[in-house]
Amino acid sequence: EDQVTQSPEALRLQEGESSSLNCSYTVSGLRGLFWYRQDPGKGPEFLFTLYSAGEEKEKERLKATLTKKESFLHITAPKPEDSATYLCAVQLRGDSWGKLQFGAGTQVVVTP
Amino acid sequence: GAGVSQTPSNKVTEKGKYVELRCDPISGHTALYWYRQSLGQGPEFLIYFQGTGAADDSGLPNDRFFAVRPEGSVSTLKIQRTERGDSAVYLCASSTRPGQGAHEQYFGPGTRLTVT
Repeated sequence: EDQVTQSPEALRLQEGESSSLNCSYTVSGLRGLFWYRQDPGKGPEFLFTLYSAGEEKEKERLKATLTKKESFLHITAPKPEDSATYLCAVQLRGDSWGKLQFGAGTQVVVTP
Repeated sequence: GAGVSQTPSNKVTEKGKYVELRCDPISGHTALYWYRQSLGQGPEFLIYFQGTGAADDSGLPNDRFFAVRPEGSVSTLKIQRTERGDSAVYLCASSTRPGQGAHEQYFGPGTRLTVT
């Protein structure tokens, strides 16, 4: 059975304290792995797509990496505005229609 | 440009009533998805439209749920005989045609449905 697991469930950081979020996946075949940011009361906001092991993408203080079994979202020197829930999702190679299968998310709180 | 819009933003209804939730995708996006998100969980897939047809409805929980997209743009998710367990945030997303590559999906703000 295809599974996406995120850890930790919640993370509390001091401003400037770098950390990493984990997304481990067990799937029959990966077409792409996606990271989204979700603020309270809003829909998920697209951040990155990763396609193959070894790939890295960066955006401001965020950097996403991918291996054959997991993805990491590194937050460097976070600021309070980085507080959000971060979701990862997979698209499967055998799925022609591209639906996303999400993990439960990691809730990040960055305090000043 | 305009993103995905959803109306209403909040809907409170009584158990047993019928509700309709509307999604207006990004202009030009032929693929449209509905997801449901419960508190503390990631979104779960409900149904996918390519154009006017529902290509994959494997995520609909039962036959009380139905969705249409008659002109290939706006979609409506319809829930009959609502139950308290239907309470959740219903999210709509759109994308360019999936094709062979992985295509990101862009989400609307969601409709929070509360069944009392």
